Amino acid sequence: DTGVSQNPRHKITKRGQNVTFRCDPISEHNRLYWYRQTLGQGPEFLTYFQNEAQLEKSRLLSDRFSAERPKGSFSTLEIQRTEQGDSAMYLCASSLAEAANYGYTFGSGTRLTVV
Amino acid sequence: GNSVTQMEGPVTLSEEAFLTINCTYTATGYPSLFWYVQYPGEGLQLLLKATKADDKGSNKGFEATYRKETTSFHLEKGSVQVSDSAVYFCALSGQTGANNLFFGTGTRLTVIP
Repeated sequence: DTGVSQNPRHKITKRGQNVTFRCDPISEHNRLYWYRQTLGQGPEFLTYFQNEAQLEKSRLLSDRFSAERPKGSFSTLEIQRTEQGDSAMYLCASSLAEAANYGYTFGSGTRLTVV
Repeated sequence: GNSVTQMEGPVTLSEEAFLTINCTYTATGYPSLFWYVQYPGEGLQLLLKATKADDKGSNKGFEATYRKETTSFHLEKGSVQVSDSAVYFCALSGQTGANNLFFGTGTRLTVIP
């Protein structure tokens, strides 16, 4: 297993465009999390899935954001009508549900720049 | 609610110096506590953890003790190396089965030869 994989590593987009990121978790992990990290800050929770069910969404996840995990494996995070304030590193992590309290495995992130 | 307050950086040390990065927390119940490290251009890696009071987490020469009485989880290393230069994040999760981690703002450590 190669860990948590995120694509693309970098994305530059014009304001108003839609973008989609992909996360492939560790294969046996049933939980998948999305976080956002802005410059000089710690990661902030956006949402998480257990298998294919999205069980929690942060207030940070406006209606322009949507996340899916259709078959309980990989996940996508889409941002519609991007704004400059969306510029950040988007991190994906995964864990086993029963081991969530022991820490997650993070991917390397997708850095989004909205110009 | 849950929150983590971390020592502000940046921190610059000479190689072989002693490192302390302070972390205090506010939480309901009995959280698990973590230190994550982020090397330049990479994602977060779990450095160490402690799941109950008085537990000591350790890894790669780093240590942190879960102190419930002072709500602290300070990171220490006796002798830092240039390769330890990174950003360190203190984090907590809620009770068993908690759904997300709460992170501090991070402390950038630079170790000079």
